Amino acid sequence: SQELEQSPQSLIVQEGKNLTINCTSSKTLYGLYWYKQKYGEGLIFLMMLQKGGEEKSHEKITAKLDEKKQQSSLHITASQPSHAGIYLCGADNSGYALNFGKGTSLLVTP
Amino acid sequence: NAGVTQTPKFQVLKTGQSMTLQCAQDMNHNSMYWYRQDPGMGLRLIYYSASEGTTDKGEVPNGYNVSRLNKREFSLRLESAAPSQTSVYFCASRNRVQASPLHFGNGTRLTVT
Repeated sequence: SQELEQSPQSLIVQEGKNLTINCTSSKTLYGLYWYKQKYGEGLIFLMMLQKGGEEKSHEKITAKLDEKKQQSSLHITASQPSHAGIYLCGADNSGYALNFGKGTSLLVTP
Repeated sequence: NAGVTQTPKFQVLKTGQSMTLQCAQDMNHNSMYWYRQDPGMGLRLIYYSASEGTTDKGEVPNGYNVSRLNKREFSLRLESAAPSQTSVYFCASRNRVQASPLHFGNGTRLTVT
């Protein structure tokens, strides 16, 4: 099955700083999904990327899929405490479900 | 719009006890899924149902059974709970089997003592 590696595993940034989270696949990505999970809660869907070179933005969060469709990045501009949580990438594998990376834990300090 | 609803939210079981986790979605989605989330292991697929009337094993199906009761409901049963099944369980649904996002419930936190 498809392996998804996320980096970094955890991140502490000062409020207002920018940050980037990466998701790398061992196989070509045919559908890449970004989710956010608040501590102790369910996963909230952020964005889906399908095409090589695709980029999507929502508020201060931008996600990109590289041309080779094996790596995606999630960039947060001017981080806020509300951005804190666990970010997970998921990908459609050859079956019917999503595989997920292990997540990146983000803490935003004042 | 409730989305995906899971019950119960919390449960403590003793080893050997049985229980059923309930999941219902109101988005008219065809596919439903059960994942477990453990520290350091990420989300792992237990079972899924690509459409009403079908169920298939995922990555970690041992010790679990599922029932796709109708298009809305997909339950997960632990016949004889073991401490290794202590986890957070998430139900999810999506409109198509691929190229559409999963929508997750808020999870069931299960402890087996």
